[in-house]
Amino acid sequence: GAVVSQHPSRVICKSGTSVKIECRSLDFQATTMFWYRQFPKQSLMLMATSNEGSKATYEQGVEKDKFLINHASLTLSTLTVTSAHPEDSSFYICSASFGPGELFFGEGSRLTVL
Amino acid sequence: SQQGEEDPQALSIQEGENATMNCSYKTSINNLQWYRQNSGRGLVHLILIRSNEREKHSGRLRVTLDTSKKSSSLLITASRAADTASYFCAPVMNRDDKIIFGKGTRLHILP
Repeated sequence: GAVVSQHPSRVICKSGTSVKIECRSLDFQATTMFWYRQFPKQSLMLMATSNEGSKATYEQGVEKDKFLINHASLTLSTLTVTSAHPEDSSFYICSASFGPGELFFGEGSRLTVL
Repeated sequence: SQQGEEDPQALSIQEGENATMNCSYKTSINNLQWYRQNSGRGLVHLILIRSNEREKHSGRLRVTLDTSKKSSSLLITASRAADTASYFCAPVMNRDDKIIFGKGTRLHILP
């Protein structure tokens, strides 16, 4: 199946710093990528839809200035958590659309903000 | 977009037994997908069933779809310890639909 690579898998940072998470589709071109976050023992919450070459579409309640998404190429989308705070600590997962609605997911990035 | 609702929320069965989990949704779909998530990992796409299909098999997985009842079921036969995971259904209304996940079913296979 299609492969989506996410990096880094784990990151620990100090409060106030910014963290960038990369999501790459390795063997296909993804015009659309999705970013989710997941708190412990909870479901995935869709944060935003990332479209190549255009601005991301954010879900209600997600701060676009806090979570910057860039989809500069057909194989790479990045999520930057700006001025991270402890409440931003979470598991962030990206996915890329392949075929009619079928998604392939990265392995996730666990962010811990101290 | 719409969110599927999985039932039960949690399920524990003995290894070797069959596990059945259900999904209900609210509006017409183009297809419905099932995903698995192992603890602390990303999701893995298991199977996609289209609205004009009633049943689909993939290895030990069997998925049914009843569009009149707006429901789907996932059956895992001869369960193994490695099947312990959370399972999510994703009803998809059209090709460009974004996928919203429900709470999932947490499946625990007992040795």
